Amino acid sequence: QKEVEQNSGPLSVPEGAIASLNCTYSDRGSQSFFWYRQYSGKSPELIMFIYSNGDKEDGRFTAQLNKASQYVSLLIRDSQPSDSATYLCAVGPAAGNKLTFGGGTRVLVKP
Amino acid sequence: DTGVSQNPRHKITKRGQNVTFRCDPISEHNRLYWYRQTLGQGPEFLTYFQNEAQLEKSRLLSDRFSAERPKGSFSTLEIQRTEQGDSAMYLCASSLGGISYEQYFGPGTRLTVT
Repeated sequence: QKEVEQNSGPLSVPEGAIASLNCTYSDRGSQSFFWYRQYSGKSPELIMFIYSNGDKEDGRFTAQLNKASQYVSLLIRDSQPSDSATYLCAVGPAAGNKLTFGGGTRVLVKP
Repeated sequence: DTGVSQNPRHKITKRGQNVTFRCDPISEHNRLYWYRQTLGQGPEFLTYFQNEAQLEKSRLLSDRFSAERPKGSFSTLEIQRTEQGDSAMYLCASSLGGISYEQYFGPGTRLTVT
């Protein structure tokens, strides 16, 4: 079993719709959770982080964390073609050490 | 803040040669991380530093790999006797440390071993 699992996609979303991405993790001691966006050929770009159970909103992005169920999700509202990318879920311990990444979910937003 | 910078951006080398990459973190970030990413996979942790101290090294990192951060500022990653399986994107990230866990990545160095 992988430590951080994501559906590889592609997740096809019409422009203006909500894209919903999920991530599950195996280490119950994990305390920090991140979403990165990665365009083809580029490096990962941090778009959201969440440390406490519940929802965290930043612009069109909402991260949701449920530690009891060991999942974290990302919602992208009003999806735009520029949101087409691979979204990486990353999980880390409280001490800010190494991150463990999932394989990423490819999102395609169609005009 | 200028972001994390990495040099070179691309490196093509022949099998058996040594290569060295450099990473300059965001100023005042005292944690620096190296990851490796192959096509279709998420980044894989290699090693990290807090200031000049190397605190963790992946078990996947063979002894052909060595990293340094001599003055707690920039870092170098050296690969000796490169193999074709070393071909990947080498990513550097930095974080402020303390209770700030967010890691910010540089543009990466793409290594091709022929």
